[in-house]
Amino acid sequence: GAGVSQSPSNKVTEKGKDVELRCDPISGHTALYWYRQSLGQGLEFLIYFQGNSAPDKSGLPSDRFSAERTGGSVSTLTIQRTQQEDSAVYLCASSRRGGNSPLHFGNGTRLTVT
Amino acid sequence: EDQVTQSPEALRLQEGESSSLNCSYTVSGLRGLFWYRQDPGKGPEFLFTLYSAGEEKEKERLKATLTKKESFLHITAPKPEDSATYLCAVAGDTGFQKLVFGTGTRLLVSP
Repeated sequence: GAGVSQSPSNKVTEKGKDVELRCDPISGHTALYWYRQSLGQGLEFLIYFQGNSAPDKSGLPSDRFSAERTGGSVSTLTIQRTQQEDSAVYLCASSRRGGNSPLHFGNGTRLTVT
Repeated sequence: EDQVTQSPEALRLQEGESSSLNCSYTVSGLRGLFWYRQDPGKGPEFLFTLYSAGEEKEKERLKATLTKKESFLHITAPKPEDSATYLCAVAGDTGFQKLVFGTGTRLLVSP
């Protein structure tokens, strides 16, 4: 079946511009996660959505970052006024029911801020 | 603060040469330890979850073990297709949604 789909796969933007990254989770999965993978660093948790519950935003690095999940499915991660340190691979994952359910990751969006 | 350290950073093996990857962790209230495999340009792919010391899980040529301080991923008679980066992650008191990942071990298996 179809896996987690992310778009675009690559994004180059100028410092100060806003960007939107999209994630289509696996159908039927109630939990959705955003992680960030920077060069030489481990994956870093950003935000978690589970069903209709309030999202866990505790990993967002600054108020320039925001995310929403519409209709319990597609999610968009928005970065406003991008900075060079935002350059990284942004990975989306979904899981069947949250908790200890295995995460299924997409292939990520590679963001480069020039 | 929860922390995961993986060693070695990189490992080169000949096909059929068995070895082990290490994941050392410090975590407040371990809920689970996870192993993922990541191929270049791809997202991580789930391999195993371990919950308590002494637990072992196997899948093909891979076996994961867990103690109170570390986990090992044993690779028996590896093949070139086992070449990938192997990531370890822990879930602690902050919950399963906030996995803390190590930086991974890059494994290259030569024919």
